[in-house]
Amino acid sequence: AQKITQTQPGMFVQEKEAVTLDCTYDTSDPSYGLFWYKQPSSGEMIFLIYQGSYDQQNATEGRYSLNFQKARKSANLVISASQLGDSAMYFCAMREGPPGGATNKLIFGTGTLLAVQP
Amino acid sequence: GAVVSQHPSWVICKSGTSVKIECRSLDFQATTMFWYRQFPKQSLMLMATSNEGSKATYEQGVEKDKFLINHASLTLSTLTVTSAHPEDSSFYICSAPDPGLADSSGDTQYFGPGTRLTVL
Repeated sequence: AQKITQTQPGMFVQEKEAVTLDCTYDTSDPSYGLFWYKQPSSGEMIFLIYQGSYDQQNATEGRYSLNFQKARKSANLVISASQLGDSAMYFCAMREGPPGGATNKLIFGTGTLLAVQP
Repeated sequence: GAVVSQHPSWVICKSGTSVKIECRSLDFQATTMFWYRQFPKQSLMLMATSNEGSKATYEQGVEKDKFLINHASLTLSTLTVTSAHPEDSSFYICSAPDPGLADSSGDTQYFGPGTRLTVL
C-alpha cells in the first residue's frame, strides 16, 4: 500500500485565489512528521511546512497552512492568495518515527503539479 | 533554513565512465545525508542513507557497487556513479537534516539544488 498518496496529478488555480493540495498518509507509527516541499522547474526542493504527529495545532508558514486531520490521516496543504510564482510541483512527504531517530528518511508522494493562471 | 550545496549542477558523460557528485552542508554539520534519484515527471526515490564515518545504507534494489557513497566528513558526502550507462541518466539530489534543528523542525531535510546527469 502507498504510504503517501497525492490524488491530484495536476491543478489549476486563478491568481489570488486559495488552493488546497491533498495528501493522505498511512502509518502505524504513533510518532511521525509530515512535510510539504515545492519543486519549481529548476529542480530544487524547497521546504514549505512541517507538521508533527503530536502537534495540537495546524502548522502555518506565511501563505501556507497545513490542514492536519489525524483521524482521517490527511495533511492537505492550503496556499492562500496564489501567486504566479507558486506554479510548481508540490510533494507531500512523511517521516516515520520521532525526529532524530535512527530512521529519519522521508517517503514522498507522487506530487501535484500546480499551475497558477493570471 | 540550513543550506546544502551540490556540485556539479549538471554533467554529461560517455557511457562507461564514472561520475562523482558532491553534496555539502554549508552552515551545519550533517552526520546523515540522503541521496535521491528522480526521473522525469516522477517522484523522488531514496537511493541510500549516507552516514558519516560508516558505510552507507542502501535501499532495496539499489546496487551499492554501482552507486558508491562516501561520507568522509561532517559536511561532505559524495555519490559516484560507476560505469555509467544511459539508463543512469537522471536527476540526483541530496538532502540533510540539521541536527541543531531536529526538535523544532522535526528533522526537516534540506535539499541541495540537484545534479542532472546525462549519459550518452
